Amino acid sequence: SQQGEEDPQALSIQEGENATMNCSYKTSINNLQWYRQNSGRGLVHLILIRSNEREKHSGRLRVTLDTSKKSSSLLITASRAADTASYFCATESRMRFGAGTRLTVKP
Amino acid sequence: DTEVTQTPKHLVMGMTNKKSLKCEQHMGHRAMYWYKQKAKKPPELMFVYSYEKLSINESVPSRFSPECPNSSLLNLHLHALQPEDSALYLCASSPRGGTTDTQYFGPGTRLTVL
Repeated sequence: SQQGEEDPQALSIQEGENATMNCSYKTSINNLQWYRQNSGRGLVHLILIRSNEREKHSGRLRVTLDTSKKSSSLLITASRAADTASYFCATESRMRFGAGTRLTVKP
Repeated sequence: DTEVTQTPKHLVMGMTNKKSLKCEQHMGHRAMYWYKQKAKKPPELMFVYSYEKLSINESVPSRFSPECPNSSLLNLHLHALQPEDSALYLCASSPRGGTTDTQYFGPGTRLTVL
């Protein structure tokens, strides 16, 4: 299975702090994507990183990919209460999502 | 228009009912997806349509029947469901169904089976 597995399962931080979530996967990939889901809603695409990329930025988001360790991390800097959501990584094969990290940002 | 719409938002049905979930996009995407999501779990892929043809069926029970009438519409017909089928059903679309595609998700239909 190429399913990603995120850790931690849950993360609670104060507004303004940084949040780091990790994703591990089992087989070789061409790319990995991160999505956000607000409670009970659809998922929103955040960022895609290709296997030949090591780091990618988008606004307050920074994603890294280490293909030798089969892992990726998502860093959200200067978090806001509106960042409260579940975050999923997904590998491209049949869009299998990991278990997700539930992030709570306290005002 | 970068929106995927789903109707209804909520659906309550009995185990003997027949109902349908609808999904629509007008982004010109040629791949559409159905996912099932239980509480505090990740979405699980059910079906993929690519260029209006069913390309992936993740061994979904026959009580779920997908239909893609045209490139903008995707239906999920429900019949003789079980209470354990209660979940959030998400529809998504992507430009071509390729491995680098970004998927655009609808808000989901919250289904309760009594």
